[in-house]
Amino acid sequence: DIQMTQSPSSLSASVGDRVTITCRASQDISNYLVWFQQKPGKAPKSLIYAASSLQSGVPSKFSGSGSGTDFTLTISSLQPEDFATYYCQQYNYYPWTFGHGTKVEIK
Amino acid sequence: QVQLQESGPGLVKPSETLSLTCTVSGGSFSGYYWTWIRQSAGKGLEWIGRIYTSGALRHYNPALESRVTMSHDSSKNQFSLNLISVTAADTGVYYCARLSHGSGYVWGQGTTVTVSS
Repeated sequence: DIQMTQSPSSLSASVGDRVTITCRASQDISNYLVWFQQKPGKAPKSLIYAASSLQSGVPSKFSGSGSGTDFTLTISSLQPEDFATYYCQQYNYYPWTFGHGTKVEIK
Repeated sequence: QVQLQESGPGLVKPSETLSLTCTVSGGSFSGYYWTWIRQSAGKGLEWIGRIYTSGALRHYNPALESRVTMSHDSSKNQFSLNLISVTAADTGVYYCARLSHGSGYVWGQGTTVTVSS
């Protein structure tokens, strides 16, 4: 199975900060990567697909980049509603696999 | 805007079968792969498998393959998950979803399933 390693596992940031989360795949997955956000007790919300395409309806403060094995999710200016856990997931190989999440907390 | 809604029993006895249905509305059902994912405190997010709306094309997680069956009913815009011989380790929140490389991810709201006698 493809291992997806996210870092950091958690971070503390302030409103207005620029935040970057990284995800590394254990082998080349091209651009078959998604990022999604999850708040406690809620379903995941898709942010980015195909590594860098913004999901419809998602604000442009979210952006994704990368290809191959190394990917990043950037939030350009953190807002109160962005405090949540963020996951990456590869969908190039079966079984699809997920990162363990990055919890973004208020500093 | 396509929407997905899971339904099924919230409590299943050990060794019995977990059966869930996902109803798709607001968009096309045919021509897509439809996916089941679960989330538990112990194992995090786990992809269960996906089914295509044409033919018998299915892909299952090898870790669950011996116990999983997926099916679909295009006349009702529904697809289903059966997981046999459940144990407490199958407790969690089950999501149905559609992931397309061209249009992204759509998730259902999730349904909580507890395996307990």
